[in-house]
Amino acid sequence: EDQVTQSPEALRLQEGESSSLNCSYTVSGLRGLFWYRQDPGKGPEFLFTLYSAGEEKEKERLKATLTKKESFLHITAPKPEDSATYLCAVQATSNTGNQFYFGTGTSLTVIP
Amino acid sequence: DSGVTQTPKHLITATGQRVTLRCSPRSGDLSVYWYQQSLDQGLQFLIQYYNGEERAKGNILERFSAQQFPDLHSELNLSSLELGDSALYFCASSVVGTSETYEQYFGPGTRLTVT
Repeated sequence: EDQVTQSPEALRLQEGESSSLNCSYTVSGLRGLFWYRQDPGKGPEFLFTLYSAGEEKEKERLKATLTKKESFLHITAPKPEDSATYLCAVQATSNTGNQFYFGTGTSLTVIP
Repeated sequence: DSGVTQTPKHLITATGQRVTLRCSPRSGDLSVYWYQQSLDQGLQFLIQYYNGEERAKGNILERFSAQQFPDLHSELNLSSLELGDSALYFCASSVVGTSETYEQYFGPGTRLTVT
């Protein structure tokens, strides 16, 4: 069964304390892996797309990496404004067209 | 602001009723996606339309249907509503380029409460 699992469910960091979020996936026909940020009561905001193992993308304090089985979102020296839920999603092929599977997210709180 | 608009923001209705949720994609985007987000399940992909045609189907119930109109806006119709249909419904859009893998831009969502 295709699925996406994120860990940890919640993470509290002191401002400046770097850490990593994990996204593991088991899908057949992976077309791409996406990271989104979601603030309470709002729609997910696109961060990164990764297509193949070994690929890395960076944006400000965030860096996403991809292996054949998982992806990491590294947060370097986080600030309180980085507090949000981070969602991982994969796009996979299927008999009924491309499918999109989301993890349940990691809720990040950065304490000043 | 992603450029994707959804109406209404909130909707409260009773069991057994039918509602229609509306989505306008970003300017230039041809694909529209619908998702359901409930507290216990996270985001569930329902259906994708591309330039008016159904392109992919996910976990969409038979009581639910969608369509995309010539002006590219989309509507999600939910009928015979049950308490368990209460959720946030998101619409997303994307531009389809030479690659079939593309990021999606999400609207602010419609919160549906079924009483």
